[in-house]
Amino acid sequence: AQSVTQLGSHVSVSEGALVLLRCNYSSSVPPYLFWYVQYPNQGLQLLLKYTSAATLVKGINGFEAEFKKSETSFHLTKPSAHMSDAAEYFCAVRPNFGNEKLTFGTGTRLTIIP
Amino acid sequence: DTAVSQTPKYLVTQMGNDKSIKCEQNLGHDTMYWYKQDSKKFLKIMFSYNNKELIINETVPNRFSPKSPDKAHLNLHINSLELGDSAVYFCASSQDLGTGSYEQYFGPGTRLTVT
Repeated sequence: AQSVTQLGSHVSVSEGALVLLRCNYSSSVPPYLFWYVQYPNQGLQLLLKYTSAATLVKGINGFEAEFKKSETSFHLTKPSAHMSDAAEYFCAVRPNFGNEKLTFGTGTRLTIIP
Repeated sequence: DTAVSQTPKYLVTQMGNDKSIKCEQNLGHDTMYWYKQDSKKFLKIMFSYNNKELIINETVPNRFSPKSPDKAHLNLHINSLELGDSAVYFCASSQDLGTGSYEQYFGPGTRLTVT
């Protein structure tokens, strides 16, 4: 079984400030982990993914995430928030083998304060 | 070119009607999916097809029936629509059957409103 927990359904940061969106996972086997972004009235777009190659993963739009097995976490960060980062962010997990579905977290809405 | 497209984008209909949502991907992927996103933004997989074969079938009312005429298309037909079916439905595709790390590419969504 697998699951993800996103702490904080809403996060607000000032423009230029650090963005930190939290994701903790639960998986009985080594996982693949993903962060997706959803802009208003659009589909989901992949930001980055962890596939066991490197624990620090860099994605698009200046985002990165670090896989920490000891903490079962995969938090998403960006050093300096931009107004265009305002969106819904989803963490997702699936086992690294087999024909298993992708399980999404409940999402975190990021608001950027001018 | 749009990678994963869905039609229609908006669908408003009355309870009891039957409707279909179409999905097409031009990425050459083997696997396609249907997700339902509720009003609280929670995303849940409904179905997955690989090369026209049903792979994942979550606990979904049998009023929902996916159909895959070929591996580039996955349509969703819904019979006897209910108020609770109102949601945004997303189609997605991925390169692999599930054994690799390939990400899923999502369509723009179809907002279904049942009145």
